[in-house]
Amino acid sequence: DAGVIQSPRHEVTEMGQEVTLRCKPISGHDYLFWYRQTMMRGLELLIYFNNNVPIDDSGMPEDRFSAKMPNASFSTLKIQPSEPRDSAVYFCASSNRGLWYGYTFGSGTRLTVV
Amino acid sequence: LAKTTQPISMDSYEGQEVNITCSHNNIATNDYITWYQQFPSQGPRFIIQGYKTKVTNEVASLFIPADRKSSTLSLPRVSLSDTAVYYCLVVNRDDKIIFGKGTRLHILP
Repeated sequence: DAGVIQSPRHEVTEMGQEVTLRCKPISGHDYLFWYRQTMMRGLELLIYFNNNVPIDDSGMPEDRFSAKMPNASFSTLKIQPSEPRDSAVYFCASSNRGLWYGYTFGSGTRLTVV
Repeated sequence: LAKTTQPISMDSYEGQEVNITCSHNNIATNDYITWYQQFPSQGPRFIIQGYKTKVTNEVASLFIPADRKSSTLSLPRVSLSDTAVYYCLVVNRDDKIIFGKGTRLHILP
């Protein structure tokens, strides 16, 4: 298995632009998570899905952030408009053992908003 | 949600056994103790999980005393490649995983 695949690996964009991050979870995994990591705040859970349905989006910072999972093999995290404070590494993770055991993380997308 | 406390950083030398202790004084009956490892420029990687006593796998051992208010991750004979951030988490089956600050382990030659 190729693991959790995220694209792009790096993204540099100008403030105000729309940014879309993509994730392909491991086949058969029914949970998908989006995390954000910064030096100041560490790893933050933004949102998670179960069977393609958003379950908890309480970590999404504000309305500029949105996430979708149109099918079991694809999810997107969109930021519109982007701001410099959104600069971070965004990780996608998936699990087939529920909320609590052994998530598999992707390699992340490093987003820089200038 | 049970809170964990672990050292911010630790140094050790190649070939040594490294023990990282985590305290979780308000752990609940249905909580499990879980450790993740994160290398630079990578996502966290699940290492080990336990409920009580001792759990061992090919990577590490996890020691949990009877009161479960603390736990110790033991890495045998570390190498330079074990330099990473290690996260101690307390999780239950009904809730998502929240990461703390972790312990930055630096292995010296």
